[in-house]
Amino acid sequence: TQLLEQSPQFLSIQEGENLTVYCNSSSVFSSLQWYRQEPGEGPVLLVTVVTGGEVKKLKRLTFQFGDARKDSSLHITAAQPGDTGLYLCAGDRTGNQFYFGTGTSLTVIP
Amino acid sequence: DTGVSQDPRHKITKRGQNVTFRCDPISEHNRLYWYRQTLGQGPEFLTYFQNEAQLEKSRLLSDRFSAERPKGSFSTLEIQRTEQGDSAMYLCASSLPGGSYEQYFGPGTRLTVT
Repeated sequence: TQLLEQSPQFLSIQEGENLTVYCNSSSVFSSLQWYRQEPGEGPVLLVTVVTGGEVKKLKRLTFQFGDARKDSSLHITAAQPGDTGLYLCAGDRTGNQFYFGTGTSLTVIP
Repeated sequence: DTGVSQDPRHKITKRGQNVTFRCDPISEHNRLYWYRQTLGQGPEFLTYFQNEAQLEKSRLLSDRFSAERPKGSFSTLEIQRTEQGDSAMYLCASSLPGGSYEQYFGPGTRLTVT
């Protein structure tokens, strides 16, 4: 059973479009991280959110942590081909073990 | 380069052989994690060290798997009597203690068991 569910699983969009990726759980997390992973490489940390309702912006990426700290979203504005990759959310409950989501594979077509 | 490094990057082995992977974390990071990732899935937690102490192990870590971090610096993950189901990417991550435990991942070791 996956503790964190991501949707959609696959997303293919044209350059310049906007998109939102969702990360949902029935469990509460003390923090949640978003990563991007390219084929054959390890995940690269994008952001950490720790406070319920927190919103963080990283250039064209906007991350939100749900008020109850059970869910999160990642919104990308004006997607570019360089945004292509596997987006992963990961929740921390104790600091000892992180639970990763199922992943969203994004393809941005030039 | 001061990031997390893993060695080897790729390993092909025959079923039944033993393999060992190494992870060198970022030098000031005292927490070290091992994960396994299969194609199309997110990483699955295997085990976690704080300094040299192994504090948490997943049920995924069968008796054939053992991890060590003898001096609290680099870590090794050994798989004995490999099976085809062990084929996966093995990822190592490290983090500082406290705060939000932000993890920094290495490039992974791709294991193929034939």
